[in-house]
Amino acid sequence: GEDVEQSLFLSVREGDSSVINCTYTDSSSTYLYWYKQEPGAGLQLLTYIFSNMDMKQDQRLTVLLNKKDKHLSLRIADTQTGDSAIYFCAESRAGTALIFGKGTTLSVSS
Amino acid sequence: DTAVSQTPKYLVTQMGNDKSIKCEQNLGHDTMYWYKQDSKKFLKIMFSYNNKELIINETVPNRFSPKSPDKAHLNLHINSLELGDSAVYFCASSHPSGGPGEAGELFFGEGSRLTVL
Repeated sequence: GEDVEQSLFLSVREGDSSVINCTYTDSSSTYLYWYKQEPGAGLQLLTYIFSNMDMKQDQRLTVLLNKKDKHLSLRIADTQTGDSAIYFCAESRAGTALIFGKGTTLSVSS
Repeated sequence: DTAVSQTPKYLVTQMGNDKSIKCEQNLGHDTMYWYKQDSKKFLKIMFSYNNKELIINETVPNRFSPKSPDKAHLNLHINSLELGDSAVYFCASSHPSGGPGEAGELFFGEGSRLTVL
């Protein structure tokens, strides 16, 4: 199948906003997800958005969904060094399990 | 009281050996999965079981055999290990999406790092 696309690296300074972008493939995906993976750990769900929503805000996290362009983004406000991790977007593709993008490594410098 | 637990966390073995990784979840979920994460951190679905029945089997060599003795357990057995099998293997579980408060999200274990020498 087609790939879920993400840029591989993002570098920001502490206190700045981070925006991680994702292009998914299945227009019938019911939910879209953002996961965070810290070094040596498993993936933790950060947030998800239902496909009939355009935006979801959860504290420092804002998810934007553009269904027409199949584009998903995650904005982290006031990025902290503890936010350094790999961020994966995922789509719920019909007939299979969640399909993940290749992950964006976020590096936060102080 | 870890939700999804895998053992062992690390496994180092020689080419040609057979090894198993075990997974247990105490979340009461119906569906369990195995994902493989390679050295570039790419995650790929391998298998999924729902109530002990295989429902997803991606293009995986038949040296890999999942076994689900009950819906809380999904084990992965690998025969004749090859260098390319070196990776981190993640177990996960989920409820189906659509129920109240259920978005079908996956809950992951901490991973089992397999190194084949």
